Amino acid sequence: SQTIHQWPATLVQPVGSPLSLECTVEGTSNPNLYWYRQAAGRGLQLLFYSVGIGQISSEVPQNLSASRPQDRQFILSSKKLLLSDSGFYLCAWEVAGDTQYFGPGTRLTVL
Amino acid sequence: QKEVEQNSGPLSVPEGAIASLNCTYSDRGSQSFFWYRQYSGKSPELIMFIYSNGDKEDGRFTAQLNKASQYVSLLIRDSQPSDSATYLCAVRGGSNYKLTFGKGTLLTVNP
Repeated sequence: SQTIHQWPATLVQPVGSPLSLECTVEGTSNPNLYWYRQAAGRGLQLLFYSVGIGQISSEVPQNLSASRPQDRQFILSSKKLLLSDSGFYLCAWEVAGDTQYFGPGTRLTVL
Repeated sequence: QKEVEQNSGPLSVPEGAIASLNCTYSDRGSQSFFWYRQYSGKSPELIMFIYSNGDKEDGRFTAQLNKASQYVSLLIRDSQPSDSATYLCAVRGGSNYKLTFGKGTLLTVNP
């Protein structure tokens, strides 16, 4: 069966510090991968999606970036965090066009 | 811009009652529809998906789709306090990998 992992589970970072969140999927090949952010009291905002290694599409201009160095690994990064980057970061996977499944999420607080 | 609208609630129902959650969408070309449940502090988990007009039942849950009216709903029969959560409606367009999410409806089931 398929499993999706995210780490860390929680993170507290100062403004201006770098960020690296990791997501890995097990039990499937060539999944579509997604990064979402859910700010307090708001809906899911799609940040990036990837249909293959090295293929990244950005949905929202911001100080975040994403990379997909391996088929089942998706990384979200920032060089300098802003207060507005606080939120619940969710990674999701799907077989193209099928149901999307979410990882457990990373709760990021920027102080 | 594709939109998915949900009543934010809170929707409060007594234990054992039927909870009815509604969702409308703007893209007439939408092909697949999903309902996710999100407990406070947790990631969304898939409850049901529906592709065709009509009803689809799975245990206590029934998804209803009316493409002509651009309307999808979720009925929860015999509601339990454990059903208390935010329910997210998600819609995928005909040629689009991406899901568009509503902001969710908060359901509270009172014992």
